[in-house]
Amino acid sequence: QQQVKQSPQSLIVQKGGISIINCAYENTAFDYFPWYQQFPGKGPALLIAIRPDVSEKKEGRFTISFNKSAKQFSLHIMDSQPGDSATYFCAASTQGGKLIFGQGTELSVKP
Amino acid sequence: DAMVIQNPRYQVTQFGKPVTLSCSQTLNHNVMYWYQQKSSQAPKLLFHYYDKDFNNEADTPDNFQSRRPNTSFCFLDIRSPGLGDAAMYLCATSWDRSAKNIQYFGAGTRLSVL
Repeated sequence: QQQVKQSPQSLIVQKGGISIINCAYENTAFDYFPWYQQFPGKGPALLIAIRPDVSEKKEGRFTISFNKSAKQFSLHIMDSQPGDSATYFCAASTQGGKLIFGQGTELSVKP
Repeated sequence: DAMVIQNPRYQVTQFGKPVTLSCSQTLNHNVMYWYQQKSSQAPKLLFHYYDKDFNNEADTPDNFQSRRPNTSFCFLDIRSPGLGDAAMYLCATSWDRSAKNIQYFGAGTRLSVL
């Protein structure tokens, strides 16, 4: 299965709160899991990525948690800020470099 | 400085009138990708070039073609645009096709079909 399922579709968080976005996959051949951030009118930009042999990766306020046995991974945004308001896509990549994107989560951080 | 540049940012065409979108890159990357992104949906890969080697996705309609005359430029040609082809078209590049290679996206061209 080449799908990556992402939830929720939209998320509203208060400033300073934690934003959590979840993704699940079926294909065990996926071996790289990036998250992309997309602002309106812009192309997606790589935010953070993880390999399946690592259970957690943190970069600043952004953390990926990875559960290989459950085939699930999630993005946590700590201390969410209005500037984080954007659409977030999880993705999975195979050795051929093809990116399979999740459906996207529209995050709105309220002041 | 923009590394993947798409022109134009907005394109309006008429139903059935051929249109060409352009992408250029300053990264000297080997791989260039074209994605279609419809409103509130994920980007969908149409095809990619690895150097001069063209790789089409199985479900990409024949109406979509691409050219890569040199390393820096890649074009998306839509031969007979239909109303369903209205979308954002994203160009991306990467150094190689291995899984860990970052794809760098341009800002996109928003295509309207009247």
